[in-house]
Amino acid sequence: EAQVTQNPRYLITVTGKKLTVTCSQNMNHEYMSWYRQDPGLGLRQIYYSMNVEVTDKGDVPEGYKVSRKEKRNFPLILESPSPNQTSLYFCASSKPGTYHLTEAFFGQGTRLTVV
Amino acid sequence: SQKIEQNSEALNIQEGKTATLTCNYTNYSPAYLQWYRQDPGRGPVFLLLIRENEKEKRKERLKVTFDTTLKQSLFHITASQPADSATYLCANGGFKTIFGAGTRLFVKA
Repeated sequence: EAQVTQNPRYLITVTGKKLTVTCSQNMNHEYMSWYRQDPGLGLRQIYYSMNVEVTDKGDVPEGYKVSRKEKRNFPLILESPSPNQTSLYFCASSKPGTYHLTEAFFGQGTRLTVV
Repeated sequence: SQKIEQNSEALNIQEGKTATLTCNYTNYSPAYLQWYRQDPGRGPVFLLLIRENEKEKRKERLKVTFDTTLKQSLFHITASQPADSATYLCANGGFKTIFGAGTRLFVKA
């Protein structure tokens, strides 16, 4: 079954304690992306990756890091989480067209609370 | 800055009617627009992509239009059902993706 898998689904952590949210896809997609979703603000892109070792900033990259060492995995790293990073996070993957994305597949989400 | 705006007010309609949702974009001209459905606590699910030169695209009970003069896309669900109740998101379809905040649709039986 084609899917994007995020772990963990729920996470409560304390300010400043480094954490990693994993994302893996089994569709051999070149493109992967991370978003956060907050009430009233919709989905905002954090980082995206066009392929292995190619990453770029989205609209809200501050406080986040990513890496793309393998095609299937795209972990999101919070080096020093703060309460304003409390949010619902989604990972997505897609087979990119020349100038645009085709259908994007989203993971089930990770609800992060930073206290 | 580039923006995609959707009506933040929820849309309530009766079963069997046509639901029409609006997506407006400002400060740029996307060549593609995508529509997604999102249920509470779940990831968005892709529905349709429309190119600027397509004007209209259909999939089963769904229809999307793209009006570059009005800078607007309309999303229609005909013969709506309670199972269509969800939040519908519009996005620019670009590698650097911009989403609208979404419009909640409630279909009453």
